[in-house]
Formats: sequence, C-alpha cells, structure tokens
Amino acid sequence: EIVLTQSPGTLSLSPGERATLSCRASQSVSSSYLAWYQQKPGQAPRLLIYGASSRATGIPDRFSGSGSGTDFALTISRLEPEDFAVYYCQQYGNSPRTFGQGTKVEIK
Amino acid sequence: EVQLVESGGGLVKPGGSLRLSCSASGFTFSSYSMNWVRQAPGKGLEWVSSISSSGTYIFYADSVKGRFTISRDNAKNSLYLQMNSLRAEDTAVYYCARALGHGYDYLDYWGQGTLVTVSS
Repeated sequence: EIVLTQSPGTLSLSPGERATLSCRASQSVSSSYLAWYQQKPGQAPRLLIYGASSRATGIPDRFSGSGSGTDFALTISRLEPEDFAVYYCQQYGNSPRTFGQGTKVEIK
Repeated sequence: EVQLVESGGGLVKPGGSLRLSCSASGFTFSSYSMNWVRQAPGKGLEWVSSISSSGTYIFYADSVKGRFTISRDNAKNSLYLQMNSLRAEDTAVYYCARALGHGYDYLDYWGQGTLVTVSS
C-alpha cells in the first residue's frame, strides 16, 4: 500500500498570500496518477487537480499541481477567502487507492 | 448536470448489516467506474471500494474486505454497498464518487454522503 504523507498539517495564511502544500508518497506513484481535492466543512470533496498537474473543469488557474515520482505539491498562488479549507492528495495508480491525511489551510 | 445521491444510512448495532444505495443521473452511468469513499467523524478520507463500468473488476480496502460487497445495476443507474458485520470503526459518512476508469481513476464527481453510525 502506498502511504501518502501531507505537510504541513495546518497552514495559517492571510488572503492574498501564496500557499504551498506537500504530498510525499512512500513509493513512486505510477504515471503521476495523483489527484488533489478540496473539502469545506459539511461538504463533499471537490476535485481540483488530476494527473499531478491537470486542473479539473472549472478550477481557477490560481490552483496548480506539480511533481512526479514520490514528491508532489499543490500551490495556490493567491489565496481567496473561499480557498480556506482542507486539502487531500490521493494516488490512484495502485490498489488500494489511498489518501493523504489532509492539510488544513486556515485564515491567519 | 451530474448528480449522485446516496441513501440507506442510519443507526445500526455492532454486527448488523446495512445496504447503501447511490442513484446517478446526468451522465451515462454504464460508462464510468464507481467508488465508495468514507470519512469518520472529524477524520480524513478513506477509499473503501471500486467497481468497473461493467462490474467486472472490483476492489476493496483491506479494512472492509470480506464484510462489504459493492455492486451496480446499470439499467437502474444505481450503485450499492452491502455492509455486513459492522463495527464501531465503520461509523462514517459514506460518499459515492465517479471515476472515468481505465487508469483515469480520479474522482471527479461526489455525492453529498450518507451517515452510517454503528453503536449499541
């Protein structure tokens, strides 16, 4: 099983700042089959990024994904008020599919 | 508009059974893999099970293998999760989620979830 470790656990930033979230895999993720999801309280997760760097439909270009192999990142170039949420990475190249434990982006 | 609506959650005693359903609309259900993902209260996401578009390929997390059964009825645009021998640690919101399959297994649409509580 591929274990995904996200860091930091919590990121305290102000609107307009840049956020960089990390996702490290215990072994190489096949074909960069890595996705990022955003979840707000009481809501279902929403797909942001797939294939490590492709934005999902309707996702603003301030969200970008990068990385390959075992190290991946999600960057939010300028935080908007609606971006404060929990973010999860997920690998879907191996079974079982696994999620990271999440990074909470909170308002400083 | 893609819609996924889960139902069937509720309170069940340890050792009991429950069957979750997910009704799909707004897309060609039979062309997509489907998944169940759960989230325990205050915790992160855990992938539970997936089924290919035709139902041929099925996968489970080790934590539910042998107790849960995923199935689908493409004629009814519905996904199911039969949960037996339920434990307290199965308490969670259960989401159904769509994936294109064939390697493109990211979850692009999710339902709003149904809460399963296992308690005596």
